[in-house]
Amino acid sequence: GQQVMQIPQYQHVQEGEDFTTYCNSSTTLSNIQWYKQRPGGHPVFLIQLVKSGEVKKQKRLTFQFGEAKKNSSLHITATQTTDVGTYFCAGGSNYQLIWGAGTKLIIKP
Amino acid sequence: NAGVTQTPKFQVLKTGQSMTLQCAQDMNHEYMSWYRQDPGMGLRLIHYSVGAGITDQGEVPNGYNVSRSTTEDFPLRLLSAAPSQTSVYFCASSYAGSGTGYTFGSGTRLTVV
Repeated sequence: GQQVMQIPQYQHVQEGEDFTTYCNSSTTLSNIQWYKQRPGGHPVFLIQLVKSGEVKKQKRLTFQFGEAKKNSSLHITATQTTDVGTYFCAGGSNYQLIWGAGTKLIIKP
Repeated sequence: NAGVTQTPKFQVLKTGQSMTLQCAQDMNHEYMSWYRQDPGMGLRLIHYSVGAGITDQGEVPNGYNVSRSTTEDFPLRLLSAAPSQTSVYFCASSYAGSGTGYTFGSGTRLTVV
């Protein structure tokens, strides 16, 4: 069946360093969504990408959707402690999203 | 406040017991769904509904039932709890095809002993 692979599983960064997570799908996606889940919390919607090659920015966050609509990435510039959490991608139809396993962003003390 | 409300927040069940997890939204969303979240596995879709009276199975429906008698409510029933159903359960809703993403409830942490 359709799968969405997300890497890495964890990323440890110093505050101020950049962070990137990648998602790859086994099939072409109609759209991809990104969510953030704080520790002990629930997923919160960040953004949806629909078009091939689309790039969207939200302050220090940059989201990209690949030309073939099979991969996507989230890049955070100059991480802050408020960025801590797990970032999930989810792709597919609006009714049956397939979720990546998430990338946990950990700020080194 | 507008949003998705889940109850209870925590529950411990004995193997074989049944229970219903409640989910209600006040945003008039057509689409509602139930997910379970297990460590390292992301979210897996259990059941979903695209409107009152319409439900369908997701990726992991076995052991769970749903119904959608109103737009607002989408309860999840565990028929005979098993330890494998220990998980965190999230209810989510959205306007279908809107591009605004899903709104999640705060979750129910279920332990089956």
